[in-house]
Order: sequence, then C-alpha cells, then structure tokens
Amino acid sequence: QVQLVESGGGVVQPGRSLRLSCAASGFTFRSYAMHWVRQAPGKGLEWVTVTSYDGSEKYYADSVKGRFTISRDNSKNTLYLQMNSLRAEDTAVYYCAKDQNGNCDYWGQGTLVTVSS
Amino acid sequence: QSALTQPASVSGSPGQSITISCTGSSSDVGGFNYVSWYQQHPGKAPKLMIYDVTNRPSGVSNRFSGSKSGNTASLTISGLQTEDEADYYCCSYTSSRTYVFGTGTKVTVL
Repeated sequence: QVQLVESGGGVVQPGRSLRLSCAASGFTFRSYAMHWVRQAPGKGLEWVTVTSYDGSEKYYADSVKGRFTISRDNSKNTLYLQMNSLRAEDTAVYYCAKDQNGNCDYWGQGTLVTVSS
Repeated sequence: QSALTQPASVSGSPGQSITISCTGSSSDVGGFNYVSWYQQHPGKAPKLMIYDVTNRPSGVSNRFSGSKSGNTASLTISGLQTEDEADYYCCSYTSSRTYVFGTGTKVTVL
C-alpha cells in the first residue's frame, strides 16, 4: 500500500533553514509527480510546490518562490523540501502528496514546522 | 494566486443533501477540468473525494458528486451521514502551472 512519511520538522528561528524529507513506498516513486502542501495551525490548506516525476519541472506558490526548493532522489524514493529564510508565517504542518494526473491521491501524515525565536 | 472562494460553513440534517461551492476565475476553475475535492477530519491528513471535476476515486461513496459551471465548481453530498462532518477543500490547476486550494468549508451534521 502507498505510504508517505514526512520528517525533518521542528522549531527553527526566523531567517534560518530547514530541510524536510518524505519517504515513499508502495508505488513506483520515479513515475509520479509529487507535491508539498502546508496547513497553518487552525487554517486551510495551501499548495506549496510540485515536482515532475524526474525533477525536471518544478513550480512554486508565490509565497515561497525564491526561498523554498523542492527536489527528489528517485534512487532513494525520497522527496525533499529545502526551506530557507524562514518566516513566522511559514509555521504549518507540511504534507507531501503523491500526484495522479494533477490530483493529490495519497497524503502523508505531515510534519510540523514552527518558526519562532 | 488568491485562494478559491468557498462558504465557511454548511450544515444539514442526516439524510439531507448539501452543496458546497468553489468559485475561482477563468485562470483556474473555469479554464481547466482539473478541480478536485478533499475531505479532512480534525487532526487527519486530507483525503481525495473527487478528481477532474466529476470523478470519484475507488472506495469513495457515490453519495459524493462533483460538477462545474463556468468559474464555479460544486461538491454535493447526498444522504448526509454523521461521518461526513469534516472540513472540505476544493483545489484547481491554474494557468501558471501551479495549484490553488479553496478557503475551506466546515460541514456540520445537525
């Protein structure tokens, strides 16, 4: 069965960096695009970024463009999100999600990132 | 990219039908048949309920249905059940090759 497990969250000071990981199993990871979606405490879902199956195409929400970088290692079945210049408003649960023709058909349980001094 | 507009809350009695709207623009909802709907229970990850405007993934009850007219997509839940009480979000592909979620709707079963 499809399994997505995020890790790397924690408390970080404003302006610092953090890298999230998403370990995938139960499907052919290298064949699917992957997304990151976040949810601030008590708020709605916000799409963050997507990468194509081979990492050649990447798109970002305006709110993170230039600060966040999505990447993947298909040999390790792992998706990453490098987050730089973090701000208080980046505080959220970050979910990775598998893409199926433009839809997020499977989601991980999320990892909490708290940006605070 | 502004979030798609959804009503903050919708309620209904068991057995009734409710409809949640999702309004965007010609650059997202109106321009593509790539609208999906997600159900989220408190503390849980979202679950895909509808994809490509009208399609249900395997395992999702046929009480859930989707439609679209112009720049507005809709999710209808018929035969409302207590387990349908959750938050619901629409999502659309956009002309910028990005995605945008709706503001979210809390469904309450009275």
